Amino acid sequence: EIVLTQSPVTLSLSPGERVTLSCRASQSVSSTFLAWYQQKPGQAPRLLIYAASIRATGIPDRFSGSGSGTDFTLTISRLEPEDSAVYYCQQYGSSPPITFGQGTRLEIK
Amino acid sequence: EVQLVQSGAEVKKPGESLKISCKGSGYSFNNFWIGWVRQMPGKGLEWMAIIYPGDSGTRYSPSFQGQVTISADNSINTAYLQWSSLRASDTAMYYCARFGSGTYYGAAAYWGQGTLVTVSS
Repeated sequence: EIVLTQSPVTLSLSPGERVTLSCRASQSVSSTFLAWYQQKPGQAPRLLIYAASIRATGIPDRFSGSGSGTDFTLTISRLEPEDSAVYYCQQYGSSPPITFGQGTRLEIK
Repeated sequence: EVQLVQSGAEVKKPGESLKISCKGSGYSFNNFWIGWVRQMPGKGLEWMAIIYPGDSGTRYSPSFQGQVTISADNSINTAYLQWSSLRASDTAMYYCARFGSGTYYGAAAYWGQGTLVTVSS
């Protein structure tokens, strides 16, 4: 079973800064099968990135994804206050078919 | 417009059964995987199960295998998640989501609004 470990667990940054969130898999994941989500309090998750680097519809270009094998990253450039949220990575290609990371909580102060 | 509309909040007692629903619209229901995701209070996302309505194929997370049952009724474009005997630890928000198509499980671009299940004596 593939386990996804995200780091850091929490972080606090200022508007305008750049942040890189990490997602490490316990075994190799095809880059075609790695996604990132954003979840704000009281809301359903929102798809940001799929296939490791493709932005979902309507997602601003401040959000970018990269990586391959066991190491993937989500970068948010020029942080805005509304980026405060929990970010999750997800793999969707292996057995079990779907796994989520434990999440990274990002606070914009 | 693709929409997933879930059934309303539930309050149940331990040992009771429950079936919650997720109705899809705006797309070909048969041709996309629909899955259920649990979020316990203050915790992260946990994938539970997924179903392909076109052939009723199902997959379960090892953590939830035998604990819940996923099903779908193509005639009314609705997926279900059911429990035969609830426990207090089943208290959580449950989301349905539309994943990929065919042999591609895919990412979930569409989510329901969530169904809050509270199990308390």
